[in-house]
This record gives sequence, C-alpha cells and structure tokens, in this order.
Amino acid sequence: GQSLEQPSEVTAVEGAIVQINCTYQTSGFYGLSWYQQHDGGAPTFLSYNALDGLEETGRFSSFLSRSDSYGYLLLQELQMKDSASYFCAAEGAGNMLTFGGGTRLMVKP
Amino acid sequence: ETGVTQSPTHLIKTRGQQVTLRCSSQSGHNTVSWYQQALGQGPQFIFQYYREEENGRGNFPPRFSGLQFPNYSSELNVNALELDDSALYLCASSSGGGSGVKTQYFGPGTRLLVL
Repeated sequence: GQSLEQPSEVTAVEGAIVQINCTYQTSGFYGLSWYQQHDGGAPTFLSYNALDGLEETGRFSSFLSRSDSYGYLLLQELQMKDSASYFCAAEGAGNMLTFGGGTRLMVKP
Repeated sequence: ETGVTQSPTHLIKTRGQQVTLRCSSQSGHNTVSWYQQALGQGPQFIFQYYREEENGRGNFPPRFSGLQFPNYSSELNVNALELDDSALYLCASSSGGGSGVKTQYFGPGTRLLVL
C-alpha cells in the first residue's frame, strides 16, 4: 500500500513564497502529482514529477527526490486566489493514484 | 473540448438503498477513475475502468461496482448503502489506459448523503 504525509495547514501573506512538503511510503512508485482543490470544487491538476528534480510551471514548481521519498510544491508570488487545499498524490502499481490528506493554504492580505 | 461531467450533483438516500452515479469523460479520454472524498480528507481511489474493463481497484468492498460504456462514459454503483458512504464521489478521466494515471481531469463530483 501507499501512504502520504503533508502538513494539514499553512498560512502565508500575499506576494510571499510557500513550500508544501510531502513524504510518501509506497510499495510501488511511478511518480508524484500535485492537485489544487478550492472549497466546493473539483481537484485540478497542477504538476507531475516522475524523475528527481524540479519542474516549473509558471508560479508553481514541484520537486521530487526518490531516494528521500520526498517532494514539495513551491508557490511563488502568492495571490488571494491561491487559497485552497493542495494534495500530493502518488502514482503506484495497479493504476492507483493515492492522495495525501491535503494541506489547506490560507493566503492573507 | 467538453470537460468531465457528473450526474446527479446531489443525492440523498437512506441506509440499505442502492445508488448509481454517472460520469461522462472528457473528449478523447478512454480511462475513467472513481474516487470517494470524505469531508476534510483527500480523495480515495475506488477503481479505474479502461476499455470497458476494471483496470485497478482500491480498498473498497464488492458492493462498490462499476461499468464503462463504449463511449467511455462510466457508472459507479453502490449497493446496501451505509452511513459512512456519505461523501463526495469524484470521477476523473485520462488517456492512455494504464499509463494515464499521472494527469487526471476531475468532474465536479456527486455529493451523496446517506441517512
């Protein structure tokens, strides 16, 4: 099976940079995804790392270290609209995508 | 391009009843995955369908079953409903079958309340 750990809540101010960490334990691992979910909305795909290193997509970057079973999502130039829950999700055997419990990000003015 | 749609948006059932939830995948996507999301938690993988066959299953009992149709739309059926089945049920579509897990496009979900 798989389990993922991420902080339950993070608070930051507008314009700041925030990093959301994710550690995972898996019996089979192909890659780590990140999803954003606003209250009452559906999860939307942000990024995916299959290999070690940094992937950059606009204000969002994601990092993976397979040897450390660790990844993070970096959000730069925070905006109020970034207030949402962020989930890391591990792609594993059996076509299964296992989600972490989510990190609720609150951006303050 | 049409996104993922789900119906109904909300549903109220009583314990012991059966429910069918529906999902239409995004245009060009041949794989559908279903998730259960309890309030304040991350989505939990129920199962995935590819080419009308179950292609992976999470830790859910057999009373959770599904179908995929030739047009790639899908149904989730839950029998003998229990109070703990109350949750948001999300459908996600992707392309590529077994290799398409990494990028999934979610529908708005069906919120099920079991009384």
